[in-house]
Amino acid sequence: GESVGLHLPTLSVQEGDNSIINCAYSNSASDYFIWYKQESGKGPQFIIDIRSNMDKRQGQRVTVLLNKTVKHLSLQIAATQPGDSAVYFCAENIERTNFGNEKLTFGTGTRLTIIP
Amino acid sequence: GAVVSQHPSWVICKSGTSVKIECRSLDFQATTMFWYRQFPKQSLMLMATSNEGSKATYEQGVEKDKFLINHASLTLSTLTVTSAHPEDSSFYICSARRWPRNQPQHFGDGTRLSIL
Repeated sequence: GESVGLHLPTLSVQEGDNSIINCAYSNSASDYFIWYKQESGKGPQFIIDIRSNMDKRQGQRVTVLLNKTVKHLSLQIAATQPGDSAVYFCAENIERTNFGNEKLTFGTGTRLTIIP
Repeated sequence: GAVVSQHPSWVICKSGTSVKIECRSLDFQATTMFWYRQFPKQSLMLMATSNEGSKATYEQGVEKDKFLINHASLTLSTLTVTSAHPEDSSFYICSARRWPRNQPQHFGDGTRLSIL
């Protein structure tokens, strides 16, 4: 079956430091991955995505790394700020030919706390 | 931009009431919209996929007659929780995606449904 999991449920980082959030996925056929940030009482906010033909992608203060060999995904946030405190989810996009659509499967989430 | 608006944000109603939740893509056309359910401190679980002009596809275990989905236009999908009971209380979140596939889903801010 499919599953996307995170190694750490909580992470505390000093403001200004870099943070790394890890994620493992199980479906080797997945070809698209997304990181979302969810603040309390709100919906997930898109951060960055990566396709399986890439192993690294950078955004503003964020970098996503994809290691298909070990089915591992990570999100690096540079120079963390208090506003980065939230729950971060990795999500794996799976094409389902029998359904004729795709399914986004979310990991369990990591709560990132930035310490002032 | 990719803004998704969800309404209402909060609903409190009596058991047996039907509740309609709207999901609108404000600045893009969404051929596909998705409905998720999230329990406290848990991840998002896909309930159904809604394609404009066709019937929704429901995930295993989700009652079609309980959760009615309509996607009448490229910018609007609705979820109606029929004859709601306390066990239907949850955080319901919609998302929308541009065409073609393998693009990020953009989420609304969710609807907190409380059934008394």
